[in-house]
Amino acid sequence: EVQLVESGGGLVQPGGSLRLSCSASGFTYSKYGMYWVRQAPGKGLEYVSSITSNGGGPYYADSVKGRFTMSRDNSKNMVNLQMNSLRTDDTALYYCVADASGYYWGQGVLVTVSS
Amino acid sequence: DIVLTQTPLSSPVTLGQSASISCKSSQSLLHTDGNTYLSWLQQRPGQPPRLLLSKVSTRFSGVPDRFSGSGAGTDFTLTISRVEAEDVGLYYCMQATHFPPTFGQGTKVEI
Repeated sequence: EVQLVESGGGLVQPGGSLRLSCSASGFTYSKYGMYWVRQAPGKGLEYVSSITSNGGGPYYADSVKGRFTMSRDNSKNMVNLQMNSLRTDDTALYYCVADASGYYWGQGVLVTVSS
Repeated sequence: DIVLTQTPLSSPVTLGQSASISCKSSQSLLHTDGNTYLSWLQQRPGQPPRLLLSKVSTRFSGVPDRFSGSGAGTDFTLTISRVEAEDVGLYYCMQATHFPPTFGQGTKVEI
């Protein structure tokens, strides 16, 4: 069974930083691309970032380019999202998504940016 | 960015009846590799999204055959036949043909 478990969320002040992590299991992690997708409270889904199976890219939405950095460690089945210069409009539930012959979603981790 | 427009935004349905959701794209979603990367996601209340259909009409593992997808180019439809109480939630279309991946605004299905 595919499992994606996100961690690292929390409350941070505007301008601050957070590092999200996602631990993957139940599939051959090193073969598949990974995504981060976010959902602001009561809103729809927004692509944030993605990375290929071997770490290629990463690719970013314009809204986070230059502030967020995605990386992966295939030896640990982990993917990370380093978020710097956070803004109030980054407040959202952040989902880790595996593109493993279909999209598998984690439960999400909440990031709140507020003073 | 590709804009996906879903209609209706809210769909009251009767148990046992059918529901249809339209997703229209601002550009063709036919990829140069011949595939159309249009997916449908379901998000039940308080849950993360889950994949229902990929490449327009391919049901994902464990998805009941009550869910079906159709369409091509810029116009796509999700049909839920014989709606059950567990089908209540938000439904999103998503395209991955063009970068960046984008989502429709969501359609709320309620009994």
